[in-house]
Amino acid sequence: RKEVEQDPGPFNVPEGATVAFNCTYSNSASQSFFWYRQDCRKEPKLLMSVYSSGNEDGRFTAQLNRASQYISLLIRDSKLSDSATYLCVVNPQGSNYQLIWGAGTKLIIKP
Amino acid sequence: EAQVTQNPRYLITVTGKKLTVTCSQNMNHEYMSWYRQDPGLGLRQIYYSMNVEVTDKGDVPEGYKVSRKEKRNFPLILESPSPNQTSLYFCASSSGPANTEAFFGQGTRLTVV
Repeated sequence: RKEVEQDPGPFNVPEGATVAFNCTYSNSASQSFFWYRQDCRKEPKLLMSVYSSGNEDGRFTAQLNRASQYISLLIRDSKLSDSATYLCVVNPQGSNYQLIWGAGTKLIIKP
Repeated sequence: EAQVTQNPRYLITVTGKKLTVTCSQNMNHEYMSWYRQDPGLGLRQIYYSMNVEVTDKGDVPEGYKVSRKEKRNFPLILESPSPNQTSLYFCASSSGPANTEAFFGQGTRLTVV
């Protein structure tokens, strides 16, 4: 089992719709969680951190479910510009320097 | 403008010919890392550095070397490249350890034939 798993997609979603995808992690003691966005093999950029209490930033909401060991990303009122690959990132317990990256979920927003 | 700069952006080379990919950041970050990205896999850390003259292996260090003689620069060296090192490489820097935001360079697409 991979340490961080994501559905590769692609998720094809009409503009204006709500879309959600999950990411599961295997290390139950993982400490920090993030969503990064990557456009067309460009560099990843931080979208948002995921806190235990959840995190909302405009149309984006991230949630953490420690019991089931997954994090989720919800995008409301999707825009064409949201088309990208979304990378789930986990910092395992006991490591100050290591990040475990998922392979990404590809999202395509259609007009 | 705060940025991480990698060079070259694209490189095609032959097996065994030593090469260096440069990485420079202007944010005075202590932490820097090198990753490779391959289709269907997440980014995998090659090496990281916590400060000048302090480096350590990541998950896939074989075939690579790094150095950190200055805070801003963190070059990646392939002494004898092989075709299995064909990949997309990213350099990243951050102000703190793994739970802080990482800033990435634009990537270097390397092909070894």
